Amino acid sequence: DAGVIQSPRHEVTEMGQEVTLRCKPISGHNSLFWYRQTMMRGLELLIYFNNNVPIDDSGMPEDRFSAKMPNASFSTLKIQPSEPRDSAVYFCASSLVSKGTEAFFGQGTRLTVV
Amino acid sequence: KQEVTQIPAALSVPEGENLVLNCSFTDSAIYNLQWFRQDPGKGLTSLLLIQSSQREQTSGRLNASLDKSSGRSTLYIAASQPGDSATYLCAAASGGGADGLTFGKGTHLIIQP
Repeated sequence: DAGVIQSPRHEVTEMGQEVTLRCKPISGHNSLFWYRQTMMRGLELLIYFNNNVPIDDSGMPEDRFSAKMPNASFSTLKIQPSEPRDSAVYFCASSLVSKGTEAFFGQGTRLTVV
Repeated sequence: KQEVTQIPAALSVPEGENLVLNCSFTDSAIYNLQWFRQDPGKGLTSLLLIQSSQREQTSGRLNASLDKSSGRSTLYIAASQPGDSATYLCAAASGGGADGLTFGKGTHLIIQP
């Protein structure tokens, strides 16, 4: 398996623009997680899905953030409108609950909002 | 709410030394604990996963222990090498394991050649 695949790897956008980050989890995994990493706050859980259903989005910082998982092999994290303070590395991870829930991470998307 | 702390924040040691990285968590009702490695500008690589029923896990020169009662985990690296230089993160899973991970801030490790 190719692992968790995220795109794009880097994104530079202007303040106010819509940004969409994409994630393809490992085939067969039933849980998907979105995290954000900043120097100040480290890694924070934004939202997670079990069997494509959003379970807890309490980590989403504002209503400008939204996430979807239309099927088992694809998820998006959207920021609209984007702001400079959204600049961070966004990671997607997946796991299989019945297999001890070891989490596997993608390479991340480095977002810069100018 | 689970909180995870890692000490030290940074560590620099000569090549060949054995070393221990520490991780503590506030809620002992964890499902598992996972250690990751992160290289600069890269993603997270899973090193070891310890289930709540286990006391330790080993992989090569790495050994991770878990003491739920005291809320502590350690990562032991034997015979350190320059290639071990990276940031090491520990993360605790709660709520049956499907609720995501709570991460520490990491230990930035430098192995001097």
